[in-house]
Amino acid sequence: GQQVMQIPQYQHVQEGEDFTTYCNSSTTLSNIQWYKQRPGGHPVFLIQLVKSGEVKKQKRLTFQFGEAKKNSSLHITATQTTDVGTYFCAGINAGGTSYGKLTFGQGTILTVHP
Amino acid sequence: DTGVSQDPRHKITKRGQNVTFRCDPISEHNRLYWYRQTLGQGPEFLTYFQNEAQLEKSRLLSDRFSAERPKGSFSTLEIQRTEQGDSAMYLCASSHGTGGEQYFGPGTRLTVT
Repeated sequence: GQQVMQIPQYQHVQEGEDFTTYCNSSTTLSNIQWYKQRPGGHPVFLIQLVKSGEVKKQKRLTFQFGEAKKNSSLHITATQTTDVGTYFCAGINAGGTSYGKLTFGQGTILTVHP
Repeated sequence: DTGVSQDPRHKITKRGQNVTFRCDPISEHNRLYWYRQTLGQGPEFLTYFQNEAQLEKSRLLSDRFSAERPKGSFSTLEIQRTEQGDSAMYLCASSHGTGGEQYFGPGTRLTVT
């Protein structure tokens, strides 16, 4: 079955440093979504990428979707303490009938030291 | 509050007991999803509905798990004969249409003793 892997599992940064998490799928994706989960909270949607090679920016966050639509990355510039949480990528498999079914990666836990 | 709601927020039960959770999605959303999340892992897909039809069920889901969405609005997830391995956070999410962003509820944390 489809597998989505994320690295690193943990990332500790000093406030102001940059942060990147990488996501790789074992299968080609129709789209990929990114979610953020604060400690004790539930996943909250950040963005969706659909096109091969797509790059989207949200303030200090930059999201990329690979040319082969099998990998993605999230980069945060100049981290702040409010960026603390777990970042998940989640992919929808291309083709098939599982349209809308998300397969999540295991997440990257980000801690930011002030 | 017009977000996804779940009830109860916490449930402690003894092994072998049955439990039922409820999810109320955002009213105009036709798709409803159930996920299970354990510590240090991402949400794991369990099942989803489009309106009242259950379209897919994870192969990882044992026969002890059943879900319904009788009128295409709220949904229930029942676990029969609970086991300690069922302890997890059960998340519900809803979306409008297919392939779009999913809105998650706060989850029901199940502890089986």
